[in-house]
Amino acid sequence: EAGVAQSPRYKIIEKRQSVAFWCNPISGHATLYWYQQILGQGPKLLIQFQNNGVVDDSQLPKDRFSAERLKGVDSTLKIQPAKLEDSAVYLCASSLDSLSGTSSYEQYFGPGTRLTVT
Amino acid sequence: AQSVTQPDIHITVSEGASLELRCNYSYGATPYLFWYVQSPGQGLQLLLKYFSGDTLVQGIKGFEAEFKRSQSSFNLRKPSVHWSDAAEYFCAVGAGQAGTALIFGKGTTLSVSS
Repeated sequence: EAGVAQSPRYKIIEKRQSVAFWCNPISGHATLYWYQQILGQGPKLLIQFQNNGVVDDSQLPKDRFSAERLKGVDSTLKIQPAKLEDSAVYLCASSLDSLSGTSSYEQYFGPGTRLTVT
Repeated sequence: AQSVTQPDIHITVSEGASLELRCNYSYGATPYLFWYVQSPGQGLQLLLKYFSGDTLVQGIKGFEAEFKRSQSSFNLRKPSVHWSDAAEYFCAVGAGQAGTALIFGKGTTLSVSS
C-alpha cells in the first residue's frame, strides 16, 4: 500500500514570495490533515479536511495561508506572502473513514516538506 | 484545553540499556494516546497507540507504553536500546472523537551511545 506522498521535499524561498505544497493521501482515506512543525517543536494542526470539506481551520493564518482539496483526494497548501517565521516542516497526514461514518484513530504521515524562508 | 508535556528534551542512553521516555497529558476524559518516532528527514511513524482496555500496550520495534490514569501519564519503554533507535520521539493525544487532529508534545531526542 502506497503511503502519503508529498512534494516538494525541500523548498527555499525569499520572504514575501509565494509557495505551494502538494499532498496525495493514502487511497481511500477521507480525512486529510496539514500540520506545521517548527524546529524543536511538535507538529501543530493547520487545517483538517473531511473529503473536500473543511473540518477545522482555526489555527490556519488565513491572511497568508490557504488550502484546498477540490476533489476530496489531493490537497494543496499555499503560503502567500511567506514570512521568516514560516520556516518549518509541513506534514500531511491522512486517516480512514468508513462509509458508516466511523473514523479511524490512526493517522499516517507523509515525509514532509521542509520550507526555508530567507 | 488538551495538552501534552514531554519533560525531557534530550536523553542519552547506552546501547543495550533500558529506556523510558516520559509523557504527561491534560484532558478531562479518557484520551486516545499515541507515540510516534521521527528519524531525521523522515515523517512520523506510529510506534503504538492506546484507546481503551489493557493499559499496557505493545508496539513495533520492541516498544511498549503504559497508560496510568491516576498520573495522567503514558510513558514509553524499551528494555534494550539499539543504536538504530536514535531519533526524536513524540507523544500525542487525540481528544474527543476519532478523526480529530492530534495534539503533540515538543518531543524528546534520543541519542544512543556505544
